[in-house]
Amino acid sequence: DVKVTQSSRYLVKRTGEKVFLECVQDMDHENMFWYRQDPGLGLRLIYFSYDVKMKEKGDIPEGYSVSREKKERFSLILESASTNQTSMYLCASRRGGPPSSIQYFGAGTRLSVL
Amino acid sequence: QQPVQSPQAVILREGEDAVINCSSSKALYSVHWYRQKHGEAPVFLMILLKGGEQKGHDKISASFNEKKQQSSLYLTASQLSYSGTYFCGTVRLNAGGTSYGKLTFGQGTILTVHP
Repeated sequence: DVKVTQSSRYLVKRTGEKVFLECVQDMDHENMFWYRQDPGLGLRLIYFSYDVKMKEKGDIPEGYSVSREKKERFSLILESASTNQTSMYLCASRRGGPPSSIQYFGAGTRLSVL
Repeated sequence: QQPVQSPQAVILREGEDAVINCSSSKALYSVHWYRQKHGEAPVFLMILLKGGEQKGHDKISASFNEKKQQSSLYLTASQLSYSGTYFCGTVRLNAGGTSYGKLTFGQGTILTVHP
């Protein structure tokens, strides 16, 4: 079974802190994604990566950055956390090629910024 | 741009049917459907790649109208296990006839099935 593992289920941070959300997949997938999920807004794409060290902005990249140094790991970074970044964050991975393959999601990290 | 889903919420009794719609303002390469139960990761249901394509998965099926840039998910004879939030995801078609890689999701439809 494909597994996408997010390092924390719950995180509480203070405004201004630097926050790292980690995601690891075990299926050698080329593509990895970070979404945030908010009620009424669905899943919104923050960043995605189609290869090691490659990244592209999604629909809401402001206030976030990402890092992909190894194929299996994709990190989301909040340089200076703010209260409006309180949300559920979901990581996903998918094999490369045309986007006709299944995208697998992690269970999510619920981040609260106080 | 996110696709638009309707309705936002549906309440059913076991055995009833439901339809969830997904529409885009852009030409689409594919439509993906996922279901998320409370506190869990979204789980893949099906992908529709061609205009007019219909797929089935047990009593859940979907269609894709390429010309209207719309997809519909059909849930027949609903069961308690169908409860959850349903998301459609779309991949846009670019000018060259291929796709942009990213999957963009709608705002979700909350489906509740009561005994």
